[in-house]
Amino acid sequence: QSALTQPASVSGSPGQSITVSCTGTSRDIGAYNYISWYQQHPGKAPKLIIYDVTNRPSGVSDRFSGSKSGNTASLTISGLQAEDEAHYYCSSYTGSSLPVIFGGGTKLTVL
Amino acid sequence: QLQLQESGPGLVKPSETLSLTCTVSGGSINSNSYYWGWIRQSPGKGLEWIASIYYSGSAYYNPSLRSRVTISMDTSKNQFSLKLSSVTAADTGVYYCARPHRSADICTRGFDCWGQGTRVTVSS
Repeated sequence: QSALTQPASVSGSPGQSITVSCTGTSRDIGAYNYISWYQQHPGKAPKLIIYDVTNRPSGVSDRFSGSKSGNTASLTISGLQAEDEAHYYCSSYTGSSLPVIFGGGTKLTVL
Repeated sequence: QLQLQESGPGLVKPSETLSLTCTVSGGSINSNSYYWGWIRQSPGKGLEWIASIYYSGSAYYNPSLRSRVTISMDTSKNQFSLKLSSVTAADTGVYYCARPHRSADICTRGFDCWGQGTRVTVSS
């Protein structure tokens, strides 16, 4: 099972919206609605910000939203803020003996 | 509030066994039907799920690491542990212990509680 594919970097200005893509296959993203997204600041552990494609854990800002189309999942951050500058990782359930795979991560720069 | 804390040596020699422990506070590891997992992060491979153990003691392993990994739990100490044998430089990275977002779920809904991570370097 290969890792999910994410762009290495994205950028945006404060107040703008950005979207991070996560591409998998019909055996992972395309097969299940179990997509999660994590935010990771330098030196910190990943923080779950989206699960089940579109759901936000309690306490996560509604500026973060998720979606999926076919074999590609997307994370959209609206109203960009300086504190959003971080790495973002997607993950997908696979239903196999390797139950979860992750994307390579995307570095978000807030200009 | 649930908290996880990894501990273990920061430096391991090639071919030796890496041993890490995750101490859980704010909750019991053998209640509420949760899985408990280990995930690592390396520059070369990004985030990688290593193994998970169910509160009942059932263990699940990444197939690519299965031959070298053992996960176990010590309910008396509220800890779970990871052993990775025959380490190489490719095992260098930050190791996290984590708990999934939902009970009775190995990982479908993501991991919402993480330790701070412990950096492990494999070098002679």
